[in-house]
Amino acid sequence: SQKIEQNSEALNIQEGKTATLTCNYTNYSPAYLQWYRQDPGRGPVFLLLIRENEKEKRKERLKVTFDTTLKQSLFHITASQPADSATYLCASPVSGGYNKLIFGAGTRLAVHP
Amino acid sequence: DAGVIQSPRHEVTEMGQEVTLRCKPISGHNSLFWYRQTMMRGLELLIYFNNNVPIDDSGMPEDRFSAKMPNASFSTLKIQPSEPRDSAVYFCASTPMGNTEAFFGQGTRLTVV
Repeated sequence: SQKIEQNSEALNIQEGKTATLTCNYTNYSPAYLQWYRQDPGRGPVFLLLIRENEKEKRKERLKVTFDTTLKQSLFHITASQPADSATYLCASPVSGGYNKLIFGAGTRLAVHP
Repeated sequence: DAGVIQSPRHEVTEMGQEVTLRCKPISGHNSLFWYRQTMMRGLELLIYFNNNVPIDDSGMPEDRFSAKMPNASFSTLKIQPSEPRDSAVYFCASTPMGNTEAFFGQGTRLTVV
């Protein structure tokens, strides 16, 4: 079955460092991957989309990569701040549904002052 | 726009009772999704609609769950009868035509006792 997996362990880093989160997918080749941020008690909020023919996408302090050989996407937050603390979710469409999104379990990021 | 609006925000009900969750998507969006989020299973897609038509309900866990979208501005998710294992946060999301970015509501936290 098509699966999308994220490291369920929380990631703790020091303010100012770069946070790197991983998303792996198996048994399919998504046309794109998306990253969302979710704060406690709130719905996920879209951050970035990267297509399969794009290696890298940037938005301010955020950078996403897409490696179709490794079947992996990396999500980087540079110069991290305590306000970046949240859960980050990876999402992709499944086969047969261009906008039918499945989500990874999310990785909780904690940025310490 | 006020975003995706869900009601109620919190629902506590007794096992066996009928529960109805409501969603108003963003005006002009043509796809609507119902997700369920739990600690154990993460964010699961239950059903989605395109232009008010149910496209894929393979994620609906049992016949006790049903969803309707009578018009472009309203959808309901009904659980009848409810069970304690249905306790979760239920999210509604919508996407505009030609765009895959999902806009989520604040969610309904359902507790079945």
